[in-house]
Amino acid sequence: AQTVTQSQPEMSVQEAETVTLSCTYDTSENNYYLFWYKQPPSRQMILVIRQEAYKQQNATENRFSVNFQKAAKSFSLKISDSQLGDTAMYFCAFMKHGGTGTSYGKLTFGQGTILTVHP
Amino acid sequence: NAGVTQTPKFRVLKTGQSMTLLCAQDMNHEYMYWYRQDPGMGLRLIHYSVGEGTTAKGEVPDGYNVSRLKKQNFLLGLESAAPSQTSVYFCASSYHMTSGSIDTQYFGPGTRLTVL
Repeated sequence: AQTVTQSQPEMSVQEAETVTLSCTYDTSENNYYLFWYKQPPSRQMILVIRQEAYKQQNATENRFSVNFQKAAKSFSLKISDSQLGDTAMYFCAFMKHGGTGTSYGKLTFGQGTILTVHP
Repeated sequence: NAGVTQTPKFRVLKTGQSMTLLCAQDMNHEYMYWYRQDPGMGLRLIHYSVGEGTTAKGEVPDGYNVSRLKKQNFLLGLESAAPSQTSVYFCASSYHMTSGSIDTQYFGPGTRLTVL
């Protein structure tokens, strides 16, 4: 079974600065996906960024980028130029890549990191 | 295009009562999921469905039942609610790509359920 660990329950950052959220995972799979989801106070789960394990290049989405270290099983999220709207709970999640049947796309989530952006 | 919607948004039950949570998606996704979110534990999978008429157990299925009579709807039922089922419930859906991999999951807004 896969496990996902987010060791930082809470983080804070000043507006316009950069912050990095940590995530480690444990799996015996070779092909998988990793995700970062954002959950603002509205409770809506919003996909921030996605990484395919077979891709060596780190994914980027505007101000959001990841540092994917497959051998170390580490998947950190860097938020540049932090904005007040980035205040949210952030979840790291793992999904096995697979064919059909039992490969139903189960997401395994970490415990979450609460990020507060201060003005 | 409404995406994934959930009904109701809030509900308070007494122990032993029953209720059904409705999830609907208009993206023609094959896969649908029900998760619960508890403080400090992230989201955990309750049940899932890989297509109309099929359901299967996830990580924490006890005390819940599900049905997928139509492709666009996935119902989560609590037959006899217990205080331990107080949680926020999320529905999600995803597209099953022909390559065999599965696309990103899209989430509904959640239902906050309190069982007294």
